[in-house]
Amino acid sequence: DTEVTQTPKHLVMGMTNKKSLKCEQHMGHRAMYWYKQKAKKPPELMFVYSYEKLSINESVPSRFSPECPNSSLLNLHLHALQPEDSALYLCASSQVVVGRVGTQYFGPGTRLTVL
Amino acid sequence: KNEVEQSPQNLTAQEGEFITINCSYSVGISALHWLQQHPGGGIVSLFMLSSGKKKHGRLIATINIQEKHSSLHITASHPRDSAVYICAVRSEVQKLVFGQGTRLTINP
Repeated sequence: DTEVTQTPKHLVMGMTNKKSLKCEQHMGHRAMYWYKQKAKKPPELMFVYSYEKLSINESVPSRFSPECPNSSLLNLHLHALQPEDSALYLCASSQVVVGRVGTQYFGPGTRLTVL
Repeated sequence: KNEVEQSPQNLTAQEGEFITINCSYSVGISALHWLQQHPGGGIVSLFMLSSGKKKHGRLIATINIQEKHSSLHITASHPRDSAVYICAVRSEVQKLVFGQGTRLTINP
C-alpha cells in the first residue's frame, strides 16, 4: 500500500467554524507533512512531524493546529480561518533516514473554501 | 531570484513529440525530486535523483550536480501526460524547495 489518503476531499466552512482535516498512511513512514497550495502556485510547507513530534513549523498562524495522534495519522485542526486561507491542503509522508528524508508520497488533497 | 527555476513555464505540444522540461537550482542539495500534479490536486512523485539518470516507462530524468541542473524528458508524449510538472530540491533535512512548475499540454 503506497497510498496517502485525505478526508474530506472538499470542505466549505465559515470563519467562525471549527473543522479538521485528516490524513492517513500505512506505509510505515515516520515523517508526515502538511502543505498549503494556492492556485497555480507550488506547495508551501506548513508543518513537519517526525516520529509523531512536531519538528518544523513554518511560522504558520495559530488558527491552524496540527496533531499527530499516532504514526499513521495526521490531523490539521482549523479554527477562525480567513477567506485567504482557502486553498488545497496537501498531506505527504516519507521515510526518515538519519541525515536525510526519502521520497515524499502525497495525498490527493483537501480543497478548502472559507466563506 | 528563486532558488529553483523551471523552464519553460508553459509548454504545448502535439501527441508523440519528445518533451524536455528543465530545472536549475542555486542551493546545495542532497536530492532532487520531479513531481506530477494533474488538475484537481493530487501530486505523484515521479523521481528522486541524487546523481546520474533514472528511467521509468516513457519518462527519463537526468541530473548534473556540478552544473546544478536537471531535466525531465517524456518520449512519445500522450494527452494523458498533460499536467503540471514540479521540480523540488531537498536542501535541508525534511524540507523541499519547489520550483514554480511547468504546465504541459499535449494535444491529440
